[in-house]
Amino acid sequence: DQQVKQNSPSLSVQEGRISILNCDYTNSMFDYFLWYKKYPAEGPTFLISISSIKDKNEDGRFTVFLNKSAKHLSLHIVPSQPGDSAVYFCAASSSNTGNQFYFGTGTSLTVIP
Amino acid sequence: KAGVTQTPRYLIKTRGQQVTLSCSPISGHRSVSWYQQTPGQGLQFLFEYFSETQRNKGNFPGRFSGRQFSNSRSEMNVSTLELGDSALYLCASSSSPGTTYEQYFGPGTRLTVT
Repeated sequence: DQQVKQNSPSLSVQEGRISILNCDYTNSMFDYFLWYKKYPAEGPTFLISISSIKDKNEDGRFTVFLNKSAKHLSLHIVPSQPGDSAVYFCAASSSNTGNQFYFGTGTSLTVIP
Repeated sequence: KAGVTQTPRYLIKTRGQQVTLSCSPISGHRSVSWYQQTPGQGLQFLFEYFSETQRNKGNFPGRFSGRQFSNSRSEMNVSTLELGDSALYLCASSSSPGTTYEQYFGPGTRLTVT
């Protein structure tokens, strides 16, 4: 049972435009969410996180939005750059399950120069 | 500061064999988690260790086991390998267990079972 879903396996965006990656979850107990970026032959790299007490967290070109009522989060990248081309995973966890993170299946982002 | 290291990076085994993978966390990190990544399944949580104790375990059969040593290094073992065990096995470390601590991943061990 996939508790975290990324329904778009791939996304293509022109350089300079906004990239929006979406993630849905089913477990209402999740209270911490992260986004990871993964290049081929490397492990995922932490990008940005958000706690359920917030609805937005920003770090440079990356912003994560959380809509708890819809059980939905999104990652916005503005402006998109070719170096952002990678697979993006969202992950969720509940504070009473330690580091047991549930990951989505990933969205492959291609930024076209 | 050195990152998370995993050895070996690539491994080919045959069905029925067993395999041991190793993970060295970032210096000072005491929590180590293991994940299995397969196409279409994303990353599936295997287990988490902290201070040599298993704190959490994912939904995997008993053929998958792990341990952590006093220096925080961790190993995972898969016995009686099956074709479906072919995957990228990722190890992640964090300074402490708990959801507010980000995990840092190693490059993974690519296991192929033939």
